[in-house]
Amino acid sequence: AQTVTQSQPEMSVQEAETVTLSCTYDTSESDYYLFWYKQPPSRQMILVIRQEAYKQQNATENRFSVNFQKAAKSFSLKISDSQLGDAAMYFCAYMGASGTYKYIFGTGTRLKVLA
Amino acid sequence: NAGVMQNPRHLVRRRGQEARLRCSPMKGHSHVYWYRQLPEEGLKFMVYLQKENIIDESGMPKERFSAEFPKEGPSILRIQQVVRGDSAAYFCASLSSRQGVKDTQYFGPGTRLTVL
Repeated sequence: AQTVTQSQPEMSVQEAETVTLSCTYDTSESDYYLFWYKQPPSRQMILVIRQEAYKQQNATENRFSVNFQKAAKSFSLKISDSQLGDAAMYFCAYMGASGTYKYIFGTGTRLKVLA
Repeated sequence: NAGVMQNPRHLVRRRGQEARLRCSPMKGHSHVYWYRQLPEEGLKFMVYLQKENIIDESGMPKERFSAEFPKEGPSILRIQQVVRGDSAAYFCASLSSRQGVKDTQYFGPGTRLTVL
């Protein structure tokens, strides 16, 4: 069975600085997708970034980028130029590229942004 | 194109009552997933449905919980005889039916269930 681990329950970053959130996963599948979701106090699940496992190039979305290490099964999120609006829970998620396509979520990292 | 819709957004029930949560997937999506988020925890998969079929219910409690996705109308997650431990946020997500674009689930805003 697949598992997703986020080992940092809480992280803090100074406004305008850079922070990296860690995520590791375990799977025997060769093709899959990895995601980072942001959950603000409103509880809405907001997709931050997606990575296809077959792509070696790391995904980037504006200030958000990932460091995808397939062999190490590591998928970290880097947030550059942190803003107060980035404060939220961040969840890492895994989805196989076949079968039921259900998501497996990590336990989340609460990010605090300090002014 | 409307996103995934869930209602109600907030639901309060007393112990022993029934809770019905509704989810309308995005247009063109016939795959629906339900997840539960207990306070201060991550989302946990409950059930995966396609129209008129339950595909995977491995995450759903065996008793009191049921789900359906009829040919017409929204998907329903039903919780009978609710207990305080059922208090949580319940999220619905949908996935495209088209092969080649099954790469992202789209989430609704969630239903927050409070059991008194």
